[in-house]
Amino acid sequence: DTEVTQTPKHLVMGMTNKKSLKCEQHMGHRAMYWYKQKAKKPPELMFVYSYEKLSINESVPSRFSPECPNSSLLNLHLHALQPEDSALYLCASSRWTGSTNEKLFFGSGTQLSVL
Amino acid sequence: GESVGLHLPTLSVQEGDNSIINCAYSNSASDYFIWYKQESGKGPQFIIDIRSNMDKRQGQRVTVLLNKTVKHLSLQIAATQPGDSAVYFCAPKAPTDKLIFGTGTRLQVFP
Repeated sequence: DTEVTQTPKHLVMGMTNKKSLKCEQHMGHRAMYWYKQKAKKPPELMFVYSYEKLSINESVPSRFSPECPNSSLLNLHLHALQPEDSALYLCASSRWTGSTNEKLFFGSGTQLSVL
Repeated sequence: GESVGLHLPTLSVQEGDNSIINCAYSNSASDYFIWYKQESGKGPQFIIDIRSNMDKRQGQRVTVLLNKTVKHLSLQIAATQPGDSAVYFCAPKAPTDKLIFGTGTRLQVFP
């Protein structure tokens, strides 16, 4: 199994809603990532978890709250989002973060629209 | 009125021709380089990688060339097919550094 699975594929939410994005991998990877991608732009790193601990937070607003319940799962909790947060949210995993040549495996993303 | 926005660099090639996608990077400490392909509505997909101790690496129909002197790498796709149409990102990485994507190039293949 070389897949990173993200749910839901599409999400529409209001600015007062609370929702969660989910990501799952069964490759035994110990590093997991959240990226945000606006249209016609490259993915931008948001968070990195290494061995279930948050290791990088790229100064992301607190209305985005990541969670790594175990080594296979990664969640992104959303609350009080703004319309400019509408984007494709990508989850990725890699074996670990310690070495240079670690390639990331990406899911298909959740297309989020904030109304 | 006039609309202003950012546009991805686009490369248009005829089916069967070879494609060359270029990427310049700025961090001389970068020692690992990945090329990703992203099709519409999908996440980035790994294509090929190269370490800084190499200047060329070949895969199936793809070749990556690395020139560390001028901090440039390229992705060559042989016999381009319609299924190659996508946005291609290079991602240089320095030791213990984060993976950061380049701006991307849209490849359009026409019959």
